[in-house]
Amino acid sequence: AQSVAQPEDQVNVAEGNPLTVKCTYSVSGNPYLFWYVQYPNRGLQFLLKYITGDNLVKGSYGFEAEFNKSQTSFHLKKPSALVSDSALYFCAVRDAATGGFKTIFGAGTRLFVKA
Amino acid sequence: SAVISQKPSRDICQRGTSLTIQCQVDSQVTMMFWYRQQPGQSLTLIATANQGSEATYESGFVIDKFPISRPNLTFSTLTVSNMSPEDSSIYLCSGIVGTPSGNTIYFGEGSWLTVV
Repeated sequence: AQSVAQPEDQVNVAEGNPLTVKCTYSVSGNPYLFWYVQYPNRGLQFLLKYITGDNLVKGSYGFEAEFNKSQTSFHLKKPSALVSDSALYFCAVRDAATGGFKTIFGAGTRLFVKA
Repeated sequence: SAVISQKPSRDICQRGTSLTIQCQVDSQVTMMFWYRQQPGQSLTLIATANQGSEATYESGFVIDKFPISRPNLTFSTLTVSNMSPEDSSIYLCSGIVGTPSGNTIYFGEGSWLTVV
């Protein structure tokens, strides 16, 4: 069965510093990996995804993520954090081996960016 | 990206009543799903809404409690039946554009239900 873990409930970073939000996954086949962001009182917004190809994928709002097959990780990164990046971030995985339509979400990581 | 609209956006419901949430998607969406997000928690898949047939429910969710309809490609409803305070959650409609494999699942803004 597929699963995804976000080991940190919360990440604190100062504005202007780089940020990393961690995600690891487990699937039986090839993974399709996604990051979403949820701002207060809003639904989920898609940030980026990895399907195949380059391990480093770039997405919205200056975010990027690196797929690491050997470590089964897909960490979200941004070189310089903004206060407006403060939100709840979800990693998600879909298992290509299962026909690939069920998307499983991690528990979420709350990012606080301090001015 | 897909445009997904839900209503109501928020509601306060009395214990024991039922509420139907409507979801309208644009024509590109092929698969539709309903998720629940309980307070402070992640998203849990309730079911896949199948066009013209019964929804496919995940473990722990049953049709009697969460009846779902999808009469056509672009519209679905989720009913939360006989509500209790434990049903207070955000209910999210979502959809995939094109074939599921590598395509992105997009979400509506959610319906925030509080049961009192």
